[in-house]
Amino acid sequence: DSGVTQTPKHLITATGQRVTLRCSPRSGDLSVYWYQQSLDQGLQFLIQYYNGEERAKGNILERFSAQQFPDLHSELNLSSLELGDSALYFCASSVGPHRTDTQYFGPGTRLTVL
Amino acid sequence: DQQVKQNSPSLSVQEGRISILNCDYTNSMFDYFLWYKKYPAEGPTFLISISSIKDKNEDGRFTVFLNKSAKHLSLHIVPSQPGDSAVYFCAASANSNAGNMLTFGGGTRLMVKP
Repeated sequence: DSGVTQTPKHLITATGQRVTLRCSPRSGDLSVYWYQQSLDQGLQFLIQYYNGEERAKGNILERFSAQQFPDLHSELNLSSLELGDSALYFCASSVGPHRTDTQYFGPGTRLTVL
Repeated sequence: DQQVKQNSPSLSVQEGRISILNCDYTNSMFDYFLWYKKYPAEGPTFLISISSIKDKNEDGRFTVFLNKSAKHLSLHIVPSQPGDSAVYFCAASANSNAGNMLTFGGGTRLMVKP
């Protein structure tokens, strides 16, 4: 158990809908990351927050947005969902924002878009 | 364009023998490399890392070798144990002010046979 929690574990929804994925980092960790793992694209970095501020951005679609709240939990919002958004979404956390700060991953949320 | 590649999707090894997992990268800005292990239904777990100022890093049964000129790294597991059966991902990051963005390879599934 990494100490990172993600809810829900599974989510099934329809095209065009909007969903929110939630992540609680390990106690004491200030940095949160979101990754998408799809069959054809592998594990891809989406976005990083550190202490409430956006720190780094990857290939995150404009339909996706994220935020980190004062209590340090984070939410990833996916809107106008398409079939291709079906994937595993992982959250990770680290104590700081730096490259040498180990990222600890949660168990993931499996999103299925029908 | 895949900047981090793991060309072997799977590897089968006998218990007690050495497992060698390989990873190639193309981006010469990468200077920090990591290996993660992933079991089914869990998030990736950090194993070992190496900075580009080193060519070897050891942690127990796990050793990572880095060949900068060849843009190649490998993970050696000695001796291999059945509990090592998992998917192994290599990851890389570049020195920038953009936080802690990791670029992952596609993964290699290791099967250690008793």
